[in-house]
Amino acid sequence: NAGVTQTPKFRILKIGQSMTLQCTQDMNHNYMYWYRQDPGMGLKLIYYSVGAGITDKGEVPNGYNVSRSTTEDFPLRLELAAPSQTSVYFCASSYGTSGSLGEQFFGPGTRLTVL
Amino acid sequence: AQSVTQLGSHVSVSEGALVLLRCNYSSSVPPYLFWYVQYPNQGLQLLLKYTSAATLVKGINGFEAEFKKSETSFHLTKPSAHMSDAAEYFCAVSQDTGNQFYFGTGTSLTVIP
Repeated sequence: NAGVTQTPKFRILKIGQSMTLQCTQDMNHNYMYWYRQDPGMGLKLIYYSVGAGITDKGEVPNGYNVSRSTTEDFPLRLELAAPSQTSVYFCASSYGTSGSLGEQFFGPGTRLTVL
Repeated sequence: AQSVTQLGSHVSVSEGALVLLRCNYSSSVPPYLFWYVQYPNQGLQLLLKYTSAATLVKGINGFEAEFKKSETSFHLTKPSAHMSDAAEYFCAVSQDTGNQFYFGTGTSLTVIP
């Protein structure tokens, strides 16, 4: 199993450009998550999904959009990149949310810089 | 509402010394608690988890954590630090209700030779 894969690993964007961060998992997990990690701030939840066709906002959703057309894929879209979106982005998945089902598996991250 | 507090954003220990990383949570219902480790330029890996079974939880790489309800704590320990333990450590909490994890701000562990 590849687990959770993310592409690209690195990207530099200009202000106002758009891009999609890709995330795929092969563990048949229902739940998928997007986090951003800023220095000294821990992880902040951007969006999450509890299954195909269902998404919901997390703590910091502004400036982002997501879709979940399949169980495997959960892309994150930045429409108008801003310097405040410079961060490391992690995708994660889990089978459930509680108890032993709630363990999240993380991808390797995408390091995004907006100039 | 849930939250997680990790006391000490940076901890330094000598190689072979005890590692103690602190985590306190606030939760109105019994929580599920997790410790994750992040090595440089990598994603997070699960170290251990508490899911309402034994209060002393053993994880990978010799780490363990004890759930103390009276203190609302879930501190991470390792008897003897190794150079390879240098990393960022995150405590996280979730519940049966709701669909979210809440992460602490992380503790960076430095191991001094």
